[in-house]
Amino acid sequence: QKEVEQNSGPLSVPEGAIASLNCTYSDRVSQSFFWYRQYSGKSPELIMSIYSNGDKEDGRFTAQLNKASQYVSLLIRDSQPSDSATYLCAVILRGRGSQGNLIFGKGTKLSVKP
Amino acid sequence: EPEVTQTPSHQVTQMGQEVILRCVPISNHLYFYWYRQILGQKVEFLVSFYNNEISEKSEIFDDQFSVERPDGSNFTLKIRSTKLEDSAMYFCASRQEDTQYFGPGTRLTVL
Repeated sequence: QKEVEQNSGPLSVPEGAIASLNCTYSDRVSQSFFWYRQYSGKSPELIMSIYSNGDKEDGRFTAQLNKASQYVSLLIRDSQPSDSATYLCAVILRGRGSQGNLIFGKGTKLSVKP
Repeated sequence: EPEVTQTPSHQVTQMGQEVILRCVPISNHLYFYWYRQILGQKVEFLVSFYNNEISEKSEIFDDQFSVERPDGSNFTLKIRSTKLEDSAMYFCASRQEDTQYFGPGTRLTVL
C-alpha cells in the first residue's frame, strides 16, 4: 500500500515564527515530492517541488528531503496569518504503471496567530 | 499566466442522474488528470489521460466513470449514474514535466 502520512494538526504558530510541517512516505519508489497549499474550499496550489536529498529554498519556504528516512518536510519562515491553510504533501511514484499521478497525504492544517 | 479552468463551479444533481464535469487544461500540456476530494478527506487520484486515451486509473474509477477529450481543448469527466457517495470536489489538473497545475474544482452535490 502506497501511503503518504502527515500529522493532521492543527499546528498553531505565532506570527513571525517558523512553522515546520512533516511528511513520511512508505514507498521507496517515490522519486518526486511536492508541497501544495490548500485554502478552505479551494484547489491545491503548488508551493515547492523537491527531487534530491537535502534542502531547497524558495523565499520563505524551505523543503527538506531525506530519502533514506523516507521523510520530507516544509519549513515556513516568518509565518504570516495569510499562510494559514492546509498543507498537502504529495509524491509521484516511478516505475511500471506510474503515469505521474500524485499521491497525497491528508494534509496538515496550519494556523498562524497574529 | 495560463491556468486550468473548470465548469461548472457547483453542480447539484439527483441520485441516478448523469453529470459531465468540464475542464480546459493549459494549452501546451499533454497529460491530464482528474482527482476528487470528499469533504474533510484527502485528495484522491481518479484517472490520467495522455494521447487521447486513459493511461492509468484508480480503483475509484469504475464503470460509472468515463473521460473524454472531445475537441482540442476540453477534457471531460462523466459520471453515468451518480450516487450519494460521489458528492465531492472534483479537480482537473494538467502537467508540464513533473508539475501538476490544478483547476479551481467543481463541487458536486448528489441529493
